[in-house]
Amino acid sequence: RKEVEQDPGPFNVPEGATVAFNCTYSNSASQSFFWYRQDCRKEPKLLMSVYSSGNEDGRFTAQLNRASQYISLLIRDSKLSDSATYLCVVNQRNYQLIWGAGTKLIIKP
Amino acid sequence: DTAVSQTPKYLVTQMGNDKSIKCEQNLGHDTMYWYKQDSKKFLKIMFSYNNKELIINETVPNRFSPKSPDKAHLNLHINSLELGDSAVYFCASSQDYPSYEQYFGPGTRLTVT
Repeated sequence: RKEVEQDPGPFNVPEGATVAFNCTYSNSASQSFFWYRQDCRKEPKLLMSVYSSGNEDGRFTAQLNRASQYISLLIRDSKLSDSATYLCVVNQRNYQLIWGAGTKLIIKP
Repeated sequence: DTAVSQTPKYLVTQMGNDKSIKCEQNLGHDTMYWYKQDSKKFLKIMFSYNNKELIINETVPNRFSPKSPDKAHLNLHINSLELGDSAVYFCASSQDYPSYEQYFGPGTRLTVT
């Protein structure tokens, strides 16, 4: 089993819709969780951290489910500019980050 | 003003050659990283330097050698390039170590023919 797994997608979603995707991790001792965003042929950029109590930033909500070992990202009122690949990142050991392969999101007009 | 810059952006070379990729950050960060993103899009840490000192050295062939002349620079030299080295190489930096908020450069797309 991979340390961090994501559905590669693509998720094709109409503009204005709500979309959510998950990321599962294998190590129950994982401490910290993050979502990064990577546009096509660009570098990754930190989107948001995922706290135990959840985290909301505008249209984006990130949640952690430790019992089932997954984190989620929900995007409300999706915009064309939300089209990107969303990378799940988990801190599993020695503060090194383990990266998922990403979920590709395409927002259609 | 580019925060993390890499040169070159594209690199096409033949098997067996030796090449270098340069990275510079002007954020005043103490820690710099090299990542490799392969065709399957997995980002894998290769090296990390904190205050010019190597702190992470993942299982990477010793054909890859990082060098940090100062805190603002971390270069990657690759000897005897192989087809499997083709990937996008990202440099990143963070304020300190450990830090999860990393700032990435634009990437260097290496193609080995």
